[in-house]
Amino acid sequence: QKEVEQDPGPLSVPEGAIVSLNCTYSNSAFQYFMWYRQYSRKGPELLMYTYSSGNKEDGRFTAQVDKSSKYISLFIRDSQPSDSATYLCAMSAGTSYGKLTFGQGTILTVHP
Amino acid sequence: DAMVIQNPRYQVTQFGKPVTLSCSQTLNHNVMYWYQQKSSQAPKLLFHYYDKDFNNEADTPDNFQSRRPNTSFCFLDIRSPGLGDAAMYLCATSRGGFGETQYFGPGTRLLVL
Repeated sequence: QKEVEQDPGPLSVPEGAIVSLNCTYSNSAFQYFMWYRQYSRKGPELLMYTYSSGNKEDGRFTAQVDKSSKYISLFIRDSQPSDSATYLCAMSAGTSYGKLTFGQGTILTVHP
Repeated sequence: DAMVIQNPRYQVTQFGKPVTLSCSQTLNHNVMYWYQQKSSQAPKLLFHYYDKDFNNEADTPDNFQSRRPNTSFCFLDIRSPGLGDAAMYLCATSRGGFGETQYFGPGTRLLVL
C-alpha cells in the first residue's frame, strides 16, 4: 500500500464548475500538507500549504485537512481552462530536510 | 527573480553514455533535492544535499550520483543510462528545517536512445 493515495483521474469539468481533488494517506506522522500544480512538461509549483488540520483559503482555492480521517482535499471554485493541469498532493512529517511524499497526481481538464 | 534553474531542459543520450544534468538556484537555500518523475507518476526523491551533507534514498540506484560544488549549484550524474532512466528530472530547493516549502525548477526531460 502506498503511503499517499490519489485518484489519477483524468477529471474533465466544464468551465465554472467546482472541482474537488482528494488524497488519503496512511502515515499519521504527516503534519505538513501541500498541493502542487504541474503544467505539462513543467516543474511543480506550490499552490497551497497547510499545517495540521483545518481549512485554508486563497482566492478560488480552498485546502482542507482532516487528520483524524487521514484525508486532504483541494477545492477549486469557478474553474477556468487555465486550471487545466496535474494536481499533486504532497506531505511531510517534518524532518529537518523536509522530505516530501507525493501522491500520483490528478489530471484535470477544464473545458470552455 | 529568485528561482531554480535547470539545464538543459531536454537531454538526449545514448544507452550507456554518461550524462550530467545541472541545477542552480538564486534562493540561497540550504537544501537541494533531485527527483525522478516518470510519466503519470509521483516525483520520486533520489537524494538531497543539506549544505554539503549528501543523503541518498535507500532505493536510489548506484547508477545515480550527485555533486554540489557550492551553495548555488548541484549536478545529477547518471553513469550508464538505461532505457528505464528516461524520465523528467526535477531539482528542488528549500531552506531546510521542519515544514519548509520546496521550490521546484522546470525540470530536465531525459530521453535515452
